[in-house]
Amino acid sequence: DIQMTQSPSSLSASVGDRVTITCRASQSISSYLNWYQQKPGKAPKLLIYAASSLQSGVPSRFSGSGSGTDFTLTINSLQPEDFATYYCQQSYSTFTFGQGTRLEIK
Amino acid sequence: QVQLQESGPGLVKPSETLSLTCTVSGASVSGYYWSWIRQPPGKGLEWIGYIYYTGSTNYNPSLKSRVTISVDTSRSQFSLKLSSVTAADTAVYYCARGLTTEMNGSYYYYIDVWGKGTTVTVSS
Repeated sequence: DIQMTQSPSSLSASVGDRVTITCRASQSISSYLNWYQQKPGKAPKLLIYAASSLQSGVPSRFSGSGSGTDFTLTINSLQPEDFATYYCQQSYSTFTFGQGTRLEIK
Repeated sequence: QVQLQESGPGLVKPSETLSLTCTVSGASVSGYYWSWIRQPPGKGLEWIGYIYYTGSTNYNPSLKSRVTISVDTSRSQFSLKLSSVTAADTAVYYCARGLTTEMNGSYYYYIDVWGKGTTVTVSS
């Protein structure tokens, strides 16, 4: 099985900050990597697919990069509605999620 | 606008079978992958499996021996059965739609629509 490890597990940031979340795969997954945002009590929402493609309707301050085993999700100019938990998911072989990164207000 | 709605018992006894149904509205079942994902209380997401509209399935290896996902295209529904449940199967269960996009000769899978989720508790 392919394991996905996110770092950090949690972080605190302020409105207007730029934050980066990292996801590492236990083996190469090319660009088969998606990012989701989940708010408390809600279903996840797709942000990025294929490592760097922005889902329709998602603000351009969200971006993704990486290939192989190392990936990043970057949020520029954090907005109040961005404080949530973020998950990566690999779709190279079956599908596994990272453990999540909780983004909190500083 | 595509909507997914989970339905089924909120309480299941240990050793019994958990059964959930997802009803799809606003879109055809054809052409998509229909998934179940779960989230134990306070924990992360776990993919359970998917069924393609043609009926082919793919399951999480860790759950494969206990999972069956089926689809009824005529009723725009797909279902999950998880047998021999224990307290560890207590979770919010989400149904979701997956699709693939072709880019540079490769097909990339992602989930673009989720249901709101339904809580299932395993307890006697």
